[in-house]
Amino acid sequence: NAGVTQTPKFRVLKTGQSMTLLCAQDMNHEYMYWYRQDPGMGLRLIHYSVGEGTTAKGEVPDGYNVSRLKKQNFLLGLESAAPSQTSVYFCASTIEGRTQYFGPGTRLLVL
Amino acid sequence: DQQVKQNSPSLSVQEGRISILNCDYTNSMFDYFLWYKKYPAEGPTFLISISSIKDKNEDGRFTVFLNKSAKHLSLHIVPSQPGDSAVYFCAARDFGNEKLTFGTGTRLTIIP
Repeated sequence: NAGVTQTPKFRVLKTGQSMTLLCAQDMNHEYMYWYRQDPGMGLRLIHYSVGEGTTAKGEVPDGYNVSRLKKQNFLLGLESAAPSQTSVYFCASTIEGRTQYFGPGTRLLVL
Repeated sequence: DQQVKQNSPSLSVQEGRISILNCDYTNSMFDYFLWYKKYPAEGPTFLISISSIKDKNEDGRFTVFLNKSAKHLSLHIVPSQPGDSAVYFCAARDFGNEKLTFGTGTRLTIIP
């Protein structure tokens, strides 16, 4: 039981490049979330999903898109990366909408 | 508008003493509160939670207290151990909402 996994662990992009971050969970959780963590800002919600095929915007959705084609996977896409998107990205999941379980994070640097 | 606030960015405590981390919130609709612990280069891990119908929850060395009238949450760790050195986030859930709102975190350092 791996819990929540994230791919890749670290990535460097140039401004304007695109990439997709993958989150996978093997706990059969309905809800999945993408956060970013920046110094002094805590964890801010980007997008979330309450079930397969559904997505919704969080607190800071601009510049990101998401998809939840399979229950166990939640993808976060950056279509045209900007230096302001340099951050650590965390995925989380939960079965009951309360206690969320987090992945190890993806560190992204946009030059 | 920051609905969950952790006003102390850092805290240092001697090993064996009590660590008290504080969290304030403004949204009276929050019905469930959690504490997460985060080590560098790792994801946050769930520590302890409390429902708004309670005022205290205990799990080993960790106790969370909730004062609804003051909209204040605290985490007590006793006795503090070196492995408790980490960043602690408090989080709150809005009633009927699947989302959590996080504080900005407090870095706890346990001094041997």
